[in-house]
Amino acid sequence: GAGVSQSPRYKVAKRGQDVALRCDPISGHVSLFWYQQALGQGPEFLTYFQNEAQLDKSGLPSDRFFAERPEGSVSTLKIQRTQQEDSAVYLCASSLGLATSTDTQYFGPGTRLTVL
Amino acid sequence: AQKVTQAQTEISVVEKEDVTLDCVYETRDTTYYLFWYKQPPSGELVFLIRRNSFDEQNEISGRYSWNFQKSTSSFNFTITASQVVDSAVYFCALLPYTGRRALTFGSGTRLQVQP
Repeated sequence: GAGVSQSPRYKVAKRGQDVALRCDPISGHVSLFWYQQALGQGPEFLTYFQNEAQLDKSGLPSDRFFAERPEGSVSTLKIQRTQQEDSAVYLCASSLGLATSTDTQYFGPGTRLTVL
Repeated sequence: AQKVTQAQTEISVVEKEDVTLDCVYETRDTTYYLFWYKQPPSGELVFLIRRNSFDEQNEISGRYSWNFQKSTSSFNFTITASQVVDSAVYFCALLPYTGRRALTFGSGTRLQVQP
């Protein structure tokens, strides 16, 4: 598999639990993005990394959301004290990250999070 | 602010019919990129096409074609001779040439192709 992979594919959490979602980008891709997709809606941007640097986290909905990419490859999106409104599909995307940074973003299959 | 509107929530056609999915966008940027992605039931967003704002040539790829009209801020997608495998949700998205790297998506159009 040369594409973006995400794990787990499905996660059920009780309200108040912490969750961690993992993303493995395409090998060699410098840029990594997280999006949140509510049911019946288009994806919405959460955060963006270039290598290990988090360059934009303006889309994170609250301080309960935290993302990291410590070695510039795998990324983890962590949600603390989950709430029912966090239920959504979390999509990860990666791109080559060329100088112009307008290269195409390629998406993984997503993690469907359900908070009970 | 950027905005992408896909007014068609759901379209149902019979196999072999042609179908056009509409996309209208708003942006203050003079240069930008437009994208179409396909989301089958498996959930993964599959990249279909990227167009830049300074190239208004229409593009055809097999049964797919795209009509970009900057004057009306539209980037419509046509599937010719639709097939059952085309059934999916299709998203139009906008990315500025400079600045924020986030894609702005429309709300999607669900296409159902009946056999």
